[in-house]
Parts: sequence; structure tokens; C-alpha cells
Amino acid sequence: DQQVKQNSPSLSVQEGRISILNCDYTNSMFDYFLWYKKYPAEGPTFLISISSIKDKNEDGRFTVFLNKSAKHLSLHIVPSQPGDSAVYFCAASARGNKLVFGAGTILRVKS
Amino acid sequence: EPEVTQTPSHQVTQMGQEVILRCVPISNHLYFYWYRQILGQKVEFLVSFYNNEISEKSEIFDDQFSVERPDGSNFTLKIRSTKLEDSAMYFCASTAESSYNEQFFGPGTRLTVL
Repeated sequence: DQQVKQNSPSLSVQEGRISILNCDYTNSMFDYFLWYKKYPAEGPTFLISISSIKDKNEDGRFTVFLNKSAKHLSLHIVPSQPGDSAVYFCAASARGNKLVFGAGTILRVKS
Repeated sequence: EPEVTQTPSHQVTQMGQEVILRCVPISNHLYFYWYRQILGQKVEFLVSFYNNEISEKSEIFDDQFSVERPDGSNFTLKIRSTKLEDSAMYFCASTAESSYNEQFFGPGTRLTVL
């Protein structure tokens, strides 16, 4: 099941710089997209979401961009902090139903 | 801040045994979910539950699996006869409304089948 893809297994960024995590999807029925952050031995923690009727949603240091024509979304973290180091999952749903997750991207923020 | 809780944090069982994984969703939430993550793989949807019945289930959720909300607070996942391939992290999630709302996840139960 490759409906949601995160093609970068890992990303390393210097503290204070921007982190950009990418996600692609194939299912046109997806209309709600979410980013979750996960630490080892913990459950996914909700970060930010975006509905398909928007192209941008911002919450503090986190901004999610949605490009529906390209079926692509990205999460920007500015400025990146060492505490942001975790696995980031992109997830999508159609009409508020089950979440379909990507494989995750490991973000390392170096101080 | 309200949170989803899960017990136990780690369950070790012998193949063929029954296990029950327990979850307490956030109190005013109405939609409940189970997901699992096999080591090194994606988080996968198992089942969703609303109004005391299953609203959707995946191909993984076969006759060996069942869910129940035995009282007003607990939400359980039962695996009747565990297999080695059931070893995974099992996450419970809940949301107030199904549409366009984030699902809140519990910390997970690590199930190890020997």
C-alpha cells in the first residue's frame, strides 16, 4: 500500500535552520492531511493538519503546505530546534475515516 | 491535558494464546481506532469503532481480532489465537468527531508473540 509516500528516510538539519519534510500521495479521495511526530517507545503526537480546501496552515514554528495538483504536501519547521529530532509521519484520510500513514522521516537537528 | 492511555505497555505471550489490549480513550471522544506498527514498517489501520459497532476494518482485522467497549471508558482489542506475525506495537486512537479532526494516539502496547 503506497498511497502515502515519504521518500526521504532521514534528514539532518542545523539548529536554527529550516527543516522541510515532504510527502506525496496518490489517492485523489484524500481530503485531510496530518503530520505526526513520534519519539521511540511513544505513540504518534499530532502536530498540524490541513484540509484539502486550503493550501497552507500555520501553527507557530510549523507550517504545512498542500499542492493538490501535484498531490504533494510539505512540513516546514522554522527555526529547527534539537528537541524537534524525532520521526515525522505524514498521514491522510478520506472523509474523516481511517488514517493512511507514510513510512516516516527521521529528523535530526544538530546543535 | 487529556490523553489516551493504554495497558499494558508490554505484553509477552505464547503463540496460540489469547491477548487483550486495553485502551482508555479521551473521555468526550466518540470515535475509536486501533492501529499497529510492525517493527520497521508503517503504521497500519486495523479497525474503527463508533456507536458500539465497527465502522470500518482492514484486511488485517480477520476473525482472530475483535474489539469491544465493555463500559463507558475502556476500549479493548482481543486477539483470540496469537501468531508470531502479530508481534507489533499496537496503538489506540480516539477523536471527538470522525471528520476533519486529528486522532489522538496512546503510547502503545508492545506485543511480543513467542
